[in-house]
Amino acid sequence: GEDVEQSLFLSVREGDSSVINCTYTDSSSTYLYWYKQEPGAGLQLLTYIFSNMDMKQDQRLTVLLNKKDKHLSLRIADTQTGDSAIYFCAESIGPVGGQNFVFGPGTRLSVLP
Amino acid sequence: DVKVTQSSRYLVKRTGEKVFLECVQDMDHENMFWYRQDPGLGLRLIYFSYDVKMKEKGDIPEGYSVSREKKERFSLILESASTNQTSMYLCASSSTGVANYGYTFGSGTRLTVV
Repeated sequence: GEDVEQSLFLSVREGDSSVINCTYTDSSSTYLYWYKQEPGAGLQLLTYIFSNMDMKQDQRLTVLLNKKDKHLSLRIADTQTGDSAIYFCAESIGPVGGQNFVFGPGTRLSVLP
Repeated sequence: DVKVTQSSRYLVKRTGEKVFLECVQDMDHENMFWYRQDPGLGLRLIYFSYDVKMKEKGDIPEGYSVSREKKERFSLILESASTNQTSMYLCASSSTGVANYGYTFGSGTRLTVV
């Protein structure tokens, strides 16, 4: 079945770049997403990329998509302590509008001072 | 500001109790979802609904039921709570045909069953 994989933990120093990686299995995914979950809160949509794009940049965030390898990454430039959170990769499967999502297990990003 | 509101942030219930978790969205979304989140297991889909009075089982429906009598409200029911249902429960909604907006999540309900 569909599966989304991520490493569970990442630690970086404040000011460095963070790169969170994700692999997915459904090649028909229309959109791929990154969500952020701060402690004790729900998930917040951070950014998304349409499957016919290779890259999307939004301020400090850069999303790279390698469709051939089914690999998605999220780069956070100049990482700050406020970026400490769990980051979930997700793919939408099925027809557009059907919108069943498959989430990865989440990567816990720790930003060290 | 669009919202998905879950009625309780924290809940403590006794084993065997019937538990209702309520979720309301104000975005006129067709689709609503219930997930549970456990450390190391990520998000697991319990039930979802594409329309009023319609429900579909997700990956882990056992021990749960749902109700969607109105478009804006999706309730998760634990018929007889057990300790292994202690978890964070997340409700989400989405709009059919607007895929790039993804899901909008509520803040979650942390349920403890003692």
